[in-house]
Amino acid sequence: DAKTTQPPSMDCAEGRAANLPCNHSTISGNEYVYWYRQIHSQGPQYIIHGLKNNETNEMASLIITEDRKSSTLILPHATLRDTAVYYCIVRVASWGGGGADGLTFGKGTHLIIQP
Amino acid sequence: ETGVTQSPTHLIKTRGQQVTLRCSSQSGHNTVSWYQQALGQGPQFIFQYYREEENGRGNFPPRFSGLQFPNYSSELNVNALELDDSALYLCASSSEGDEQFFGPGTRLTVL
Repeated sequence: DAKTTQPPSMDCAEGRAANLPCNHSTISGNEYVYWYRQIHSQGPQYIIHGLKNNETNEMASLIITEDRKSSTLILPHATLRDTAVYYCIVRVASWGGGGADGLTFGKGTHLIIQP
Repeated sequence: ETGVTQSPTHLIKTRGQQVTLRCSSQSGHNTVSWYQQALGQGPQFIFQYYREEENGRGNFPPRFSGLQFPNYSSELNVNALELDDSALYLCASSSEGDEQFFGPGTRLTVL
């Protein structure tokens, strides 16, 4: 799986949009971009994923650049409960049978929402 | 719909002992993956089970082994515990290649 690069930490004011960047310059054509977050001492929580189009769900929006070498996760109205470590992961799209489907986590971005 | 559950929540063992951790997958999921998360690090992939067979593993020695049962629940066994095995152990269930849903983890301390 391709490697990702994220800033180690970011601050954001409560109520503002939090924009978390991720670089994945070696991403392959068959790899999705996934985002998970992990609130202290809990298991990671799936947020969103995409291949090349922008995606939105009830939690966040994902913006992927046209060349797919970077992406941004947007939390539109951050709350204190959004304080967590956010992981950007690239993952092969197909389930080929044979070969594990394990996720490769980096160190992520520690997002701190300030009151 | 019941989410992923893990037991026990916390566990303390001594070096050289063996430990078994358990995971119940989310309803409808047939794949379980196990991860080890050391303090301050991201989770590291241990192995994955799909329909009761190991479907591949990460860079972990053979003393890390597992099982998956017909109901798709799973066990992680670690033999000859070392101090560096102290970590949060996470399992995640999924339906084949779909997104993985994680349990709360088991905190293992090796003394």
